[in-house]
Amino acid sequence: RKEVEQDPGPFNVPEGATVAFNCTYSNSASQSFFWYRQDCRKEPKLLMSVYSSGNEDGRFTAQLNRASQYISLLIRDSKLSDSATYLCVVTRFMDTGRRALTFGSGTRLQVQP
Amino acid sequence: GAVVSQHPSRVICKSGTSVKIECRSLDFQATTMFWYRQFPKQSLMLMATSNEGSKATYEQGVEKDKFLINHASLTLSTLTVTSAHPEDSSFYICSARDQGRDTQYFGPGTRLTVL
Repeated sequence: RKEVEQDPGPFNVPEGATVAFNCTYSNSASQSFFWYRQDCRKEPKLLMSVYSSGNEDGRFTAQLNRASQYISLLIRDSKLSDSATYLCVVTRFMDTGRRALTFGSGTRLQVQP
Repeated sequence: GAVVSQHPSRVICKSGTSVKIECRSLDFQATTMFWYRQFPKQSLMLMATSNEGSKATYEQGVEKDKFLINHASLTLSTLTVTSAHPEDSSFYICSARDQGRDTQYFGPGTRLTVL
């Protein structure tokens, strides 16, 4: 089983739609959680952190359910510029005591006019 | 904001040659840098953790003699792909941790094509 699993999509939605992405992680010791956005042939960029209490940043809402080991991202009022791959990321402590990011394979979103 | 640079952004080389990729943190010191590899339509896979002043820590399945990592200063880590083969063609991305902000920043990536 992969450490972080996501539906690869693609999700094709019209402008203005609301779309939700889900992610599950297998390591219950995971410490921190993030959503990253990656545009084609570019590096990933941090979109937002994810907290158990849920957090919102404009049109984006992220939620974490530790009991179910489940993370979600909700995008409201989709824009064409939201088209990208969304990566679910968790951190884990390595044997060295340092933290490392583990990436899901990403969910592709295509917003259509 | 913090910036991480990578050089070169793109490289094409012949099979059997070695390629060096540099990763620099431009406005913060990074005791730890990470090297990732991403094949088309796949996730970023951590290859190794680069530790300033000490040996890199490699992930399982990554050959340390093939992917040489040197973290000689607090702002520079290099990854050398030795005796490159076509299957090494990939997108290599580094990241650096800003301890002060407890945040990891990614470089723009290096696209390696081995002919």
